[in-house]
Amino acid sequence: DQQVKQNSPSLSVQEGRISILNCDYTNSMFDYFLWYKKYPAEGPTFLISISSIKDKNEDGRFTVFLNKSAKHLSLHIVPSQPGDSAVYFCAASWIGTHAGKSTFGDGTTLTVKP
Amino acid sequence: ETGVTQTPRHLVMGMTNKKSLKCEQHLGHNAMYWYKQSAKKPLELMFVYNFKEQTENNSVPSRFSPECPNSSHLFLHLHTLQPEDSALYLCASSPERGSPLHFGNGTRLTVT
Repeated sequence: DQQVKQNSPSLSVQEGRISILNCDYTNSMFDYFLWYKKYPAEGPTFLISISSIKDKNEDGRFTVFLNKSAKHLSLHIVPSQPGDSAVYFCAASWIGTHAGKSTFGDGTTLTVKP
Repeated sequence: ETGVTQTPRHLVMGMTNKKSLKCEQHLGHNAMYWYKQSAKKPLELMFVYNFKEQTENNSVPSRFSPECPNSSHLFLHLHTLQPEDSALYLCASSPERGSPLHFGNGTRLTVT
């Protein structure tokens, strides 16, 4: 039973437009959510996080939205740039535990076309 | 420089070989992890070490043997692996609680 799901394996957007990556989770105990970005031949790098006491967190071009009732979060990238092309992983965990015990989704491959 | 260095980057080994993966972190973190990423599957947590003590083993077969001699170094000893163990093995570290993971670039392992 996969507790964190990213149902879109891939997404393609035009440069300058908005990219929206989605993530759903099933375990209502999760209260801390993270997004990681991964380029080929590199390890994932942390992008942005949100705790369940918030419904939005913003960092520059990146915004994460959390809808607890729907058990859904999304990552918005505005405006999208070709350098954003990568695999994006959603992860969920409990605050107070190791972030390394996060449960990861399968990832979504984002392609931003010039 | 990611702060977490993994060697080797690529490894091909036979099913009867013994090899080791190495991970080193320069971030002063107290927790270190081994993750496995197989094709078309999410990252799977294998082992967690906190202050050099193993705190989690996610039902990993005994042919994978971790070692953490200090908070900066983590090894994964491999022996009698199977072809289905071919995957990307990622090391990561974090402060003791709450903060995101810092990953190395991984070791791409192929078992023939």
